Amino acid sequence: DIQMTQSPSSLSAFVGDRVTITCRASQDISNYLAWFQQKPGKAPKSLIYAASSLQSGVPSRFSGSGSGTDFTLTISSLQPEDFATYYCQQYNNYPLTFGPGTKVDIK
Amino acid sequence: EVQLLESGGGLVQPGGSLRLSCAASGFIFSSYAMSWVRQAPGKGLEWVSGLSGSGGNRFYADSVKGRFTVSRDNSKNTLYLQMNSLRAEDTAIYYCAKGGKGVVTNFDYWGQGTLVTVSS
Repeated sequence: DIQMTQSPSSLSAFVGDRVTITCRASQDISNYLAWFQQKPGKAPKSLIYAASSLQSGVPSRFSGSGSGTDFTLTISSLQPEDFATYYCQQYNNYPLTFGPGTKVDIK
Repeated sequence: EVQLLESGGGLVQPGGSLRLSCAASGFIFSSYAMSWVRQAPGKGLEWVSGLSGSGGNRFYADSVKGRFTVSRDNSKNTLYLQMNSLRAEDTAIYYCAKGGKGVVTNFDYWGQGTLVTVSS
């Protein structure tokens, strides 16, 4: 199975800050990497697929990059509504696997 | 508008069974892979099971293989998860998620989830 790791596990930032979250796969997954946002008590929301493609309706302050084993999610200017936990997920093959999540707090 | 509505969760004793349903609308259901993803209280996301649009390809996490069965009724636009031999560690919110047109694809939409509690 492909193991996914994320760093940091949590972070605090000011509104307007640039935030970067890193995701690493245990083996090459090409660009079969997605990012999800989950707010407390809510279902996950799809943000990015194919490592860098934005889902419809997702604000352009979110961006993704990377390929192979190393990926990043960047929020260019953090907004109060971005308080959430972010998960990466590989869909290169089954079983699909998620990273452990990164919790983003607003300072 | 894509909508996914899970149902069937509840309280069940260890060793018991439960069947979850996910009613889909707003897209051509039979053309898209679907998956179940769960989240134990206070924990992260865990993919449970998935199947292709035709239902011909089914996949399971090792943690549920042999106990859970995923299926779909494309005439009813509904995805199912039959859960047998339930254990305390199966306690979680279960989400259905819509995939793409391939066998292994990303998710674009999620349901609101249904809570399964396994306890005596």
